[in-house]
Amino acid sequence: GAVVSQHPSRVICKSGTSVKIECRSLDFQATTMFWYRQFPKQSLMLMATSNEGSKATYEQGVEKDKFLINHASLTLSTLTVTSAHPEDSSFYICSARSGVTPYEQYFGPGTRLTVT
Amino acid sequence: AQSVTQLDSHVSVSEGTPVLLRCNYSSSYSPSLFWYVQHPNKGLQLLLKYTSAATLVKGINGFEAEFKKSETSFHLTKPSAHMSDAAEYFCVVSDLRTGTASKLTFGTGTRLQVTL
Repeated sequence: GAVVSQHPSRVICKSGTSVKIECRSLDFQATTMFWYRQFPKQSLMLMATSNEGSKATYEQGVEKDKFLINHASLTLSTLTVTSAHPEDSSFYICSARSGVTPYEQYFGPGTRLTVT
Repeated sequence: AQSVTQLDSHVSVSEGTPVLLRCNYSSSYSPSLFWYVQHPNKGLQLLLKYTSAATLVKGINGFEAEFKKSETSFHLTKPSAHMSDAAEYFCVVSDLRTGTASKLTFGTGTRLQVTL
């Protein structure tokens, strides 16, 4: 089956620094990747949708200058949390969607970000 | 617009007894519906999906769900719960229009507890 990886699985950073999270589709080409955020004991909230080679589309209320998304190739998307603050601490999950039917999304294992 | 409502935030069953997790949806288009499971600090695993084929959908680990258009429901069931089923379950709706990067909309989740 389709596999999506995320790196790192856990990261701790100091307030004010930036951290990059990678999302890779290992055995298929992902024309579209999605980034979600999940607070403890809550559901997943879509942050942004990125298509390979174009700018990401951010959901309402998500700061595009704070959460930088790059989808430079068909197998890699990155999320950079800039000038991180403790309130950015969360579980970040990516998903990748192939460009052929059935257009299913495959989820990565998630990245736990803790900002101290 | 699309939305999904999971009617129970927490369900507790005894091992070996049936499981019922309830989900109602709303969609402007013919929906695709999914159930995902998430174990603590893990990513999401697809249990099953409905995409306009058979209304009774069988998934992994003995789970199944029935799409009832008249009731706008997609309840998840399993005849006999196992301790390893304890996890968070998400009902998800999407209007998987061909060729579009359709968004997934997540329910708020149901935590399944399985007791001895």
